Amino acid sequence: DAGVIQSPRHEVTEMGQEVTLRCKPISGHDYLFWYRQTMMRGLELLIYFNNNVPIDDSGMPEDRFSAKMPNASFSTLKIQPSEPRDSAVYFCASTQGDGYTFGSGTRLTVV
Amino acid sequence: GNSVTQMEGPVTLSEEAFLTINCTYTATGYPSLFWYVQYPGEGLQLLLKATKADDKGSNKGFEATYRKETTSFHLEKGSVQVSDSAVYFCAVGGAQKLVFGQGTRLTINP
Repeated sequence: DAGVIQSPRHEVTEMGQEVTLRCKPISGHDYLFWYRQTMMRGLELLIYFNNNVPIDDSGMPEDRFSAKMPNASFSTLKIQPSEPRDSAVYFCASTQGDGYTFGSGTRLTVV
Repeated sequence: GNSVTQMEGPVTLSEEAFLTINCTYTATGYPSLFWYVQYPGEGLQLLLKATKADDKGSNKGFEATYRKETTSFHLEKGSVQVSDSAVYFCAVGGAQKLVFGQGTRLTINP
């Protein structure tokens, strides 16, 4: 298995633009998580899905953030409009109940 | 809810030194405990885990024992290498949702 695949690896965008981050979980994993990592706040859980259904989105910082999982093999995290304080590394992880497997992350820079 | 407190870093050691990174947790029920490692520019990788009291998880020379009486899961390694330099995260939770500590940055000098 190729593991959890995230794209793009790096994204630089201007303030106010829409940003879409993508994640392909491991086949057969029924839970998918989106995390954000910054030096100041560490690792923060944004939202997680079970069988494509959002279970807990209490970590989503604002209405500018939205996440979808249209099928078992694909999820997106969208920021619209983006702001400089959204700059961070965004990780996707999946599990079938035996520890998480993380993707390599998307480093987002909003200028 | 569950929570994790990790030893604050950064931790700097010389090669072949003994390593301990402390981790304590609070949780309801009987959670599983995990250590993850993050190398520069990469995502977190599962290092080891333990699913019940007195279990010992081990991998790559690292060990941690699930101590229910002290609610601890300290990470140890007898002789560290430069390649062990990374950030280490302790985590607690059920099979699905994990709560992570803040991470401990470890640097090993040759």
